[in-house]
Amino acid sequence: AQSVTQPDIHITVSEGASLELRCNYSYGATPYLFWYVQSPGQGLQLLLKYFSGDTLVQGIKGFEAEFKRSQSSFNLRKPSVHWSDAAEYFCAVGSYNAGNMLTFGGGTRLMVKP
Amino acid sequence: EAGVAQSPRYKIIEKRQSVAFWCNPISGHATLYWYQQILGQGPKLLIQFQNNGVVDDSQLPKDRFSAERLKGVDSTLKIQPAKLEDSAVYLCASSFTPPSEKLFFGSGTQLSVL
Repeated sequence: AQSVTQPDIHITVSEGASLELRCNYSYGATPYLFWYVQSPGQGLQLLLKYFSGDTLVQGIKGFEAEFKRSQSSFNLRKPSVHWSDAAEYFCAVGSYNAGNMLTFGGGTRLMVKP
Repeated sequence: EAGVAQSPRYKIIEKRQSVAFWCNPISGHATLYWYQQILGQGPKLLIQFQNNGVVDDSQLPKDRFSAERLKGVDSTLKIQPAKLEDSAVYLCASSFTPPSEKLFFGSGTQLSVL
């Protein structure tokens, strides 16, 4: 069964500082990997996705993520955080071989200090 | 483009009562998902439809939860009878074809069971 672990429940960074949110997955075959963001009272919005090819993927709002197969990781990064980035971030894994089911991690809540 | 519509936005019921949630996916999206998101956790897939057929309902508590998508468009999720632990946000999502296409999420229905 596929699973996703986000080790950090809460992270606080200062505005303008860099950000890295960790994500580790467990799946035997090649996974599809996603990062979603959820602002209070809002639905989830896709930031970026990885299916194949270049392991560094660019997303919306200046985010990027790097797929590292050897580490089973798909960490999300942003070079300079804005106050509006404060939200909850979810990593997810899916696969055609798993019946197309998308499994989410527990989420990381990002707080941004002025 | 209209997004995924869900209603009601909030619902408060007492335990052992029944409740129903409604979802209207984005036009043309064949795949529809219901997720349960308990406070502080990531979304958990309850059921996935492809048109009006069930693809995956392995995590749906079938003794009390039911879902249907009779005409392959709108969907209804029902809980009968509700338990305290059913308090959560119920998210509906849709996509053209999983898993390569991103999921579009509705804003969810927040259920409180007292």
